[in-house]
Amino acid sequence: AQKITQTQPGMFVQEKEAVTLDCTYDTSDPSYGLFWYKQPSSGEMIFLIYQGSYDQQNATEGRYSLNFQKARKSANLVISASQLGDSAMYFCAMRRTGNQFYFGTGTSLTVIP
Amino acid sequence: GAGVSQTPSNKVTEKGKYVELRCDPISGHTALYWYRQSLGQGPEFLIYFQGTGAADDSGLPNDRFFAVRPEGSVSTLKIQRTERGDSAVYLCASSPGGDTQYFGPGTRLTVL
Repeated sequence: AQKITQTQPGMFVQEKEAVTLDCTYDTSDPSYGLFWYKQPSSGEMIFLIYQGSYDQQNATEGRYSLNFQKARKSANLVISASQLGDSAMYFCAMRRTGNQFYFGTGTSLTVIP
Repeated sequence: GAGVSQTPSNKVTEKGKYVELRCDPISGHTALYWYRQSLGQGPEFLIYFQGTGAADDSGLPNDRFFAVRPEGSVSTLKIQRTERGDSAVYLCASSPGGDTQYFGPGTRLTVL
């Protein structure tokens, strides 16, 4: 069963604009964590942001924010003021109880100058 | 400080051969994960170590795959009788507490 769904295979955004990358998840665990990772063409996975299921406020890390809607089981990533270096694959991931991690299929983001 | 390192960066082998992939985690990180990433896909969980023991190996696809972490630091992923379908990038990640993970650059395995 698909546990993490990323419905946007590819996205384009104009430099300096904001972009939202969608992620929905499926779990019945009472406690879980949600993550976003960036994977440039070099291949290394770079941690961006984390949201715990019990966190009351949406997580923010610099230009990254996570729009967490628990009832809808969504954890969208918002990147503000896009930069050319933001062009990469972006993966949403969920940590379930027991520390198993599940990743989505990713969204390819291209920032247009 | 040093990040997670993986060796080799590339491995080409023939069908049926045995391979070992090595992961050096960030010093002091107790949790270590192995993933497999096929082209166009997200990482697929294989196994998770907490210290020296495999806390969860439910992602290993079959008994040809095995991983060890004898001293709670370096880990080796071992694949016996490799098949062409094993070709992928194998990623290792470490974590100080089993939560946020820090990934290595991966080993690209090609089975001819």
